[in-house]
Amino acid sequence: KAGVTQTPRYLIKTRGQQVTLSCSPISGHRSVSWYQQTPGQGLQFLFEYFSETQRNKGNFPGRFSGRQFSNSRSEMNVSTLELGDSALYLCASSPGTNTGELFFGEGSRLTVL
Amino acid sequence: SQKIEQNSEALNIQEGKTATLTCNYTNYSPAYLQWYRQDPGRGPVFLLLIRENEKEKRKERLKVTFDTTLKQSLFHITASQPADSATYLCALEDNNNDMRFGAGTRLTVKP
Repeated sequence: KAGVTQTPRYLIKTRGQQVTLSCSPISGHRSVSWYQQTPGQGLQFLFEYFSETQRNKGNFPGRFSGRQFSNSRSEMNVSTLELGDSALYLCASSPGTNTGELFFGEGSRLTVL
Repeated sequence: SQKIEQNSEALNIQEGKTATLTCNYTNYSPAYLQWYRQDPGRGPVFLLLIRENEKEKRKERLKVTFDTTLKQSLFHITASQPADSATYLCALEDNNNDMRFGAGTRLTVKP
């Protein structure tokens, strides 16, 4: 069974640009969550999607958005990038129907210059 | 505000000893608590889940306790090995499928 796949693994952007990150969950998983990880703040919850609907949202500005497609693949977008957006963005999938473990991808490392 | 605190940023122990990591929380009523392991440059990997009505859970050399009165979970690794060196994260989940993580404790096991 293939794991969670995130693309791209690494990217460099400049301030003011926007970025789109992609996540393919484990086959059959309907929930996808996104987290931002930085050395100072740890893992911060961005949002969770279940069956194409945003089910939970963390405390991030509106520049951070996401969506989920009918095949459960998810994308997140960050507009008007700031230096502080440099982080590891992690996607996690789960069946979504019962509480249980999250399966994480390897992350997308974003550097904003 | 809700807080999840893991006792220390870093913990160093000698091989063969028991490592004990702490996770405390405030203003939270978790239904479940989970522990994850994260290696540098990798995504977290699930280790154990314990429910609010469970006191203790074991898996091989790992043991987790959950005290909802103290609002604390303890994570133990017995007979620790250098391969156990990693960052360990606790995560709390409420009944709304909302899961939040602590900042993690970086464990180093020295041979």
